[in-house]
Amino acid sequence: DTGVSQDPRHKITKRGQNVTFRCDPISEHNRLYWYRQTLGQGPEFLTYFQNEAQLEKSRLLSDRFSAERPKGSFSTLEIQRTEQGDSAMYLCASSLGGLAKNIQYFGAGTRLSVL
Amino acid sequence: AQKITQTQPGMFVQEKEAVTLDCTYDTSDQSYGLFWYKQPSSGEMIFLIYQGSYDEQNATEGRYSLNFQKSRKSANLLISASQLGDSAMYFCAMRETRGGTSYGKLTFGQGTILTVHP
Repeated sequence: DTGVSQDPRHKITKRGQNVTFRCDPISEHNRLYWYRQTLGQGPEFLTYFQNEAQLEKSRLLSDRFSAERPKGSFSTLEIQRTEQGDSAMYLCASSLGGLAKNIQYFGAGTRLSVL
Repeated sequence: AQKITQTQPGMFVQEKEAVTLDCTYDTSDQSYGLFWYKQPSSGEMIFLIYQGSYDEQNATEGRYSLNFQKSRKSANLLISASQLGDSAMYFCAMRETRGGTSYGKLTFGQGTILTVHP
């Protein structure tokens, strides 16, 4: 059984460019989450999906950010017109929803550097 | 709004000794879940232990135990017999639960860097 997989692990881009990250959850998990973590801080919630439905979005998720989970399996997070403030680690997690315990298991993250 | 506070930016412990990492939380919900995660320098968040707000006993997972004091709104992590591989950042997190259904968002604290000395 493989864990949560994220691609790429590192991304360097120039300001103004668009970037897209991919997350493959644990296969039987119906919930998928995106978080952003800046240096020295705890992760901050961005959004989550149950199957293909996006159930919650943080106010941190500006109009430049969009996330999809088209078939309820993998998910993509796109950032348009990147800014230097977008530089962070983007973490994906998955869980089996509907249970009180509902442990979220994380991937290794995608580190984004905007020059 | 939920809030998690970890007041110890860094902790040091000798190998084989025990260490407690502090976590306090603030919520108006009666039902919630508390979690501890470990983040090594590689970046991956590793789940350690979970405590439900209605669980009567403190959670234990191997060398990890959670000292849950509901009236004080604290959920401290105790690591026994520290190992060099325990050196990492540790995060406390909380999630709401309403009507038996868990809501998605985890709220994390600022983290505590633990360094284990040989």
